[in-house]
Amino acid sequence: GAGVSQSPSNKVTEKGKDVELRCDPISGHTALYWYRQSLGQGLEFLIYFQGNSAPDKSGLPSDRFSAERTGGSVSTLTIQRTQQEDSAVYLCASSLGLAGLVDEQYFGPGTRLTVT
Amino acid sequence: GNSVTQMEGPVTLSEEAFLTINCTYTATGYPSLFWYVQYPGEGLQLLLKATKADDKGSNKGFEATYRKETTSFHLEKGSVQVSDSAVYFCALSATSSNYQLIWGAGTKLIIKP
Repeated sequence: GAGVSQSPSNKVTEKGKDVELRCDPISGHTALYWYRQSLGQGLEFLIYFQGNSAPDKSGLPSDRFSAERTGGSVSTLTIQRTQQEDSAVYLCASSLGLAGLVDEQYFGPGTRLTVT
Repeated sequence: GNSVTQMEGPVTLSEEAFLTINCTYTATGYPSLFWYVQYPGEGLQLLLKATKADDKGSNKGFEATYRKETTSFHLEKGSVQVSDSAVYFCALSATSSNYQLIWGAGTKLIIKP
């Protein structure tokens, strides 16, 4: 079946502009995650959704970052007034959302954001 | 806090060589441990996992054993192939928040024919 998809695959934007990154999870997956991967570094957790609610937003780097999820499916990560340090690959993952169990996360291909 | 430390790369080996990529962790309680792989141009994929001490995860000829006494989860393969060239990430899922994965920095593996 279809995996996690993300769009756009690449985004180049000017400093100060807003960007929206989209994630389509695997059908039936109730949990959705956003991560950021900077060059040469591991993944940084940003936010987690269970259904449409986000019980953990602790990883969002600043109030310029926000995310929403509608219909328990598609999620959008928005970065306002982008800065050069926001340049990274933004990864989305989804999982079944099984409480209390180790829940395998399936990753999308990522969106490479470059802020000039 | 929880953390994962991996050996720095790149690691360059010849085909059919033995591979070890070291991973150690710091965590409270009893985390689950994972190895993910990212092939060139592709998304992250789960390679193997172990959910309790002394468990051995295995897949595609790779193995890793959850060693609580040494807080390690080293990745091994007996005979690597060119197609194993990728970036390998060690990660843990803490018992306090089993959805949030804590990641190592990744180790780039280059296999030469």
